Amino acid sequence: GDSVTQMEGPVTLSEEAFLTINCTYTATGYPSLFWYVQYPGEGLQLLLKATKADDKGSNKGFEATYRKETTSFHLEKGSVQVSDSAVYFCALSKTGANSKLTFGKGITLSVRP
Amino acid sequence: EAGVVQSPRYKIIEKKQPVAFWCNPISGHNTLYWYLQNLGQGPELLIRYENEEAVDDSQLPKDRFSAERLKGVDSTLKIQPAELGDSAVYLCASSLSPVGETQYFGPGTRLLVL
Repeated sequence: GDSVTQMEGPVTLSEEAFLTINCTYTATGYPSLFWYVQYPGEGLQLLLKATKADDKGSNKGFEATYRKETTSFHLEKGSVQVSDSAVYFCALSKTGANSKLTFGKGITLSVRP
Repeated sequence: EAGVVQSPRYKIIEKKQPVAFWCNPISGHNTLYWYLQNLGQGPELLIRYENEEAVDDSQLPKDRFSAERLKGVDSTLKIQPAELGDSAVYLCASSLSPVGETQYFGPGTRLLVL
């Protein structure tokens, strides 16, 4: 079945450091890919998404590119802030009768001042 | 625009007791999802509704879990009787339609079974 694999965490960075969180997927067909973020005490929020190969999703300084050849959707940010501290989930979805989000385990990011 | 509303936010019960969670989706969203999130894991789908019809309940443990979405708006998820292993966060999400894909999540209900 479909699955999403995220790098092991947690990740701790200093403010203004470069961030990469790896995500790879296994799926048949052509899924859409997502990054969701969960800030402390809040619900999951969509951070960005890409719906086809080579698409780049971006939001709040975060970017991720849909790489079909490597089945990856790595999340990057050039300069993290303390306010980026949260749990990040990579997910995939397919449309139609089987529409549902399949999530990775999530990774906790802590950014130090 | 109001987001997905869930209540209660927290619930503590003893094992073998019943418990119910309520969800009000974003206005106009026809598709409603219930997810289970165990500690340190990503959410897993329990059931998906299209309007009032449950179109995917393959992951719902039907011996103790039930759900309904009367009138195709609000939804209730029930566990009876609860077990220790049911301690988790129960998330509700909604979307305009499955083709729309982007799901909007509520804050979740954190359940602790003692």
